[in-house]
Amino acid sequence: IAGITQAPTSQILAAGRRMTLRCTQDMRHNAMYWYRQDLGLGLRLIHYSNTAGTTGKGEVPDGYSVSRANTDDFPLTLASAVPSQTSVYFCASSDDTAYNEQFFGPGTRLTVL
Amino acid sequence: GQNIDQPTEMTATEGAIVQINCTYQTSGFNGLFWYQQHAGEAPTFLSYNVLDGLEEKGRFSSFLSRSKGYSYLLLKELQMKDSASYLCAVRDSNYQLIWGAGTKLIIKP
Repeated sequence: IAGITQAPTSQILAAGRRMTLRCTQDMRHNAMYWYRQDLGLGLRLIHYSNTAGTTGKGEVPDGYSVSRANTDDFPLTLASAVPSQTSVYFCASSDDTAYNEQFFGPGTRLTVL
Repeated sequence: GQNIDQPTEMTATEGAIVQINCTYQTSGFNGLFWYQQHAGEAPTFLSYNVLDGLEEKGRFSSFLSRSKGYSYLLLKELQMKDSASYLCAVRDSNYQLIWGAGTKLIIKP
């Protein structure tokens, strides 16, 4: 693994189903983030984690949950998917340098029907 | 509320220079970032400004004026591969990034 990986690459999901998007980084970064990107809108923060064992809510957390059991993994779960959650989801991580540049995974394209 | 404004789309010619502006109103300021995002790909880091002035990095430069809530990204000697969206993001008082919607840059031969 080099950097951040996400799985699946894309998914079509029926409304009401539960779905977990996976994110793994091998850079030993403390902070990790989940964003959604929709056409015409900027990236919006869903949840974040500043370090293993802690999580926080971002701008649009409703309908999503996260966990951070270890440094490397940061899964995002949709408990009961709705069509408005159709989006591209990006996971990112950052280290503790002065400017905390965020590194992004390749994204998961999710369609909820 | 927090707001980041950038033009939706710009067109420029290969070999020319283009300036992409970004204005912001945020609760606190702890740095401004520019990212590049090619269609269907993840954003990648371009530049970071926290003090007023110009930061130069090869063909790309970024400028910041904190008093005016303004930044620009300057791209010189444009190449076709520079066709992408350019995202402006400000780190607020909670150290979270607030993102603009991005500027789609189209390069014509």
